[in-house]
Amino acid sequence: DAKTTQPPSMDCAEGRAANLPCNHSTISGNEYVYWYRQIHSQGPQYIIHGLKNNETNEMASLIITEDRKSSTLILPHATLRDTAVYYCIVRVKDSSYKLIFGSGTRLLVRP
Amino acid sequence: GAVVSQHPSRVICKSGTSVKIECRSLDFQATTMFWYRQFPKKSLMLMATSNEGSKATYEQGVEKDKFLINHASLTLSTLTVTSAHPEDSSFYICSARVGSAYEQYFGPGTRLTVT
Repeated sequence: DAKTTQPPSMDCAEGRAANLPCNHSTISGNEYVYWYRQIHSQGPQYIIHGLKNNETNEMASLIITEDRKSSTLILPHATLRDTAVYYCIVRVKDSSYKLIFGSGTRLLVRP
Repeated sequence: GAVVSQHPSRVICKSGTSVKIECRSLDFQATTMFWYRQFPKKSLMLMATSNEGSKATYEQGVEKDKFLINHASLTLSTLTVTSAHPEDSSFYICSARVGSAYEQYFGPGTRLTVT
């Protein structure tokens, strides 16, 4: 599976949009981009995933560049409860279904 | 979304003893369960993949005789840390997948402290 690069930490003000970047320049054509987050001392939570089209759900939006070498997770109106470590994972949607976590981005939402 | 529970949430044991951690899918049948370990301020590390009714597949560097995994039913997988040592102290997290779903549902984690 392709490697991802994320900034180690970011912060944003409560109520503003949080834009979390992820670089996956070695992604191949059949690899999906997944985002999970982990709030302190809890298990990770699925947020969103996509292949090449932009995706939106009730939690977030995922913007994938046309060349698929990078993506951005957008939390449109961040709240204090969105403070967490956000993981961008690239993997093939194959029968193993394994998720390999990188180091993620620690997002701090400021009041 | 689907709910995965873990028991216990926190356990302290003495060095040399064994500890069993349970992972249950509460409202769905999990064809595959995964076990992860997480040290403080580090990312999750996949330990093994467990399919119901078959032997677990361990990641490179994970000792299968030390971390025994049993997936006896579609709703229960157990991880037994045998002859635990202080370096086994960690946060152990399981996840479960149903059918061909792309999502994995994670449990709340079990914090193991070996004294």
